[in-house]
Amino acid sequence: EVQLVESGGDLVQPGGSLRLSCAASGFTLSDYYVDWVRQAPGKGLEWVGRSRNKAHGYTTEYGAFVKGRFTISRDDSKNSLYLQMNSLKGEDTAVYYCGRLVHTNSGDFPDSWGQGTLVTVSS
Amino acid sequence: DVQLTQSPPFLSASVGDRVTITCRAARGIGNNLAWYQQKPGKAPNLLIYVASTLQSGVPSRFSGSGSGTEFTLTITNLQPEDFATYYCQEFYDYPLTFGGGTKVEI
Repeated sequence: EVQLVESGGDLVQPGGSLRLSCAASGFTLSDYYVDWVRQAPGKGLEWVGRSRNKAHGYTTEYGAFVKGRFTISRDDSKNSLYLQMNSLKGEDTAVYYCGRLVHTNSGDFPDSWGQGTLVTVSS
Repeated sequence: DVQLTQSPPFLSASVGDRVTITCRAARGIGNNLAWYQQKPGKAPNLLIYVASTLQSGVPSRFSGSGSGTEFTLTITNLQPEDFATYYCQEFYDYPLTFGGGTKVEI
């Protein structure tokens, strides 16, 4: 069974750092692109970033708001992906989801998501 | 960034209704658009990609159309489980963007 499980969400002070994890089971994560998407309380969805698969060098793309503060990385030995978040602000408070993308002839689209992990940035 | 504007933001409907949600892109994005359904406390669920292709397992009462700057999601014969929030997302250019969402309420 394909499964993604996010973890690492916590209460952190403004200016602090946090690393979220996205652990995969039932498939080999390195074969897939992965997106991070977030949702602030009561708000809409916001795209955070993308990690391409191993065949594409694990290159990354980020949302405009990231501005060098977030980094996506992977650990193939743990079949996991990470979102390192630095210089956190109150507006980063959100549930963060990781999603596996499947490749089609028309592009890469998410077919499976984790349950999300809550990040709260507050003093 | 490609700005996406969804309308209406809220939609009141009844079981059996046909509903249409619109997503307008600030510039042409070809057919690089997807639609999601999201229920409270859950991750989004992909309904349609490349504007009109139904994701596997999604009921055929969902359909998508459009290209360029204007796209629509249509739900025919609305079912109780369809009351949710719907989002469009463009896959044309980085950074990817979502529309603001449309909440379909009873």
